Amino acid sequence: EDQVTQSPEALRLQEGESSSLNCSYTVSGLRGLFWYRQDPGKGPEFLFTLYSAGEEKEKERLKATLTKKESFLHITAPKPEDSATYLCAVPDQAGTALIFGKGTTLSVSS
Amino acid sequence: KAGVTQTPRYLIKTRGQQVTLSCSPISGHRSVSWYQQTPGQGLQFLFEYFSETQRNKGNFPGRFSGRQFSNSRSEMNVSTLELGDSALYLCASSLGTVSPYEQYFGPGTRLTVT
Repeated sequence: EDQVTQSPEALRLQEGESSSLNCSYTVSGLRGLFWYRQDPGKGPEFLFTLYSAGEEKEKERLKATLTKKESFLHITAPKPEDSATYLCAVPDQAGTALIFGKGTTLSVSS
Repeated sequence: KAGVTQTPRYLIKTRGQQVTLSCSPISGHRSVSWYQQTPGQGLQFLFEYFSETQRNKGNFPGRFSGRQFSNSRSEMNVSTLELGDSALYLCASSLGTVSPYEQYFGPGTRLTVT
């Protein structure tokens, strides 16, 4: 059964303190991995799609990387506005549904 | 370009009632997917529609159903509501023609069942 596991569940950082979030997956034939950001009471906001091992994508203070078994979301010098829940997801076998991890809730204090 | 819209944003229903939620996708997107989000289970896939046809279905009871109209707008219906149906219901749209499908989410409908 395809599974997505994210760690840690929660992460508290000081402003400027860089860190990484982990997303590990067990799927047969990865066809992409997605990262989303979700603020409380809102729908997930699309961040990145990674297609193959070794691929990297960046957006402001976020950089996502992908290996054959996991993906990392690196947050460099975070600011309080980066506080949110970060979700990763992979497509199911049909390719039309996303299987989500439980997310990492990031809190950045000034 | 306007994003995905969902109506209503909040609903309070009583156990045993039924409810209909609506979703309008991004213009040009032909695929609409529905997800249920709860604190315990996270985001779980309900079903996906493309060009008015259900292409994929998650592991939910038959009380959950949906449909898609010719303009790609979609509705989902939950009959005989149970307390456990209280959740944030999210709709996502995508082009639906090239896999993997980048899905863009709406703000969700918060359903509370009392």
